[in-house]
Amino acid sequence: GAVVSQHPSRVICKSGTSVKIECRSLDFQATTMFWYRQFPKQSLMLMATSNEGSKATYEQGVEKDKFLINHASLTLSTLTVTSAHPEDSSFYICSARDTRQGAHEQYFGPGTRLTVT
Amino acid sequence: AQSVAQPEDQVNVAEGNPLTVKCTYSVSGNPYLFWYVQYPNRGLQFLLKYITGDNLVKGSYGFEAEFNKSQTSFHLKKPSALVSDSALYFCAVRHNSGYSTLTFGKGTMLLVSP
Repeated sequence: GAVVSQHPSRVICKSGTSVKIECRSLDFQATTMFWYRQFPKQSLMLMATSNEGSKATYEQGVEKDKFLINHASLTLSTLTVTSAHPEDSSFYICSARDTRQGAHEQYFGPGTRLTVT
Repeated sequence: AQSVAQPEDQVNVAEGNPLTVKCTYSVSGNPYLFWYVQYPNRGLQFLLKYITGDNLVKGSYGFEAEFNKSQTSFHLKKPSALVSDSALYFCAVRHNSGYSTLTFGKGTMLLVSP
């Protein structure tokens, strides 16, 4: 199956700093990428959906100025957590899909564990 | 709005026994249904999907699921569980339009004892 990578896998940052997480589709072109957040022992909560070359669509309750998403190419999307606070500590997972060919699967990255101290 | 219910937080089964992880869904129109598995501190791995056609879907690692439209269910099954199957399982649904988003269930932890 298709592969989605995320970098870094773990990051620890100080409160008030910004952190960038990269998501890449390695062997397919991702017209649409999704960013999820997962709390311990809970399900995935969709944060935003981004289409290549367009602004991201954020889910209700997600601050777009805090969670900056860029999807500049068909293989790369980035999530920047700005002015991070301890409550932003979470497991962030990206996902990608190529909607042009009617593909149905959504492929997931391995996740990034963010800890804000 | 679409939703997924996984009524069991945890399923316990002995190795070699059959397992079932339950999932029911709600979506307008025809659903696309998926099962994913997550190991600790890892992303989600695709197991299987139902898009159209045969209601019994076979997937990775010997798993299968049956789409039941009248009961709006998509239970995950395996004839003989392995200890290595122990993980968190998520059922997900989306509408059959190209730009719809996945909605996940809360997840079911499967524990297979030796």
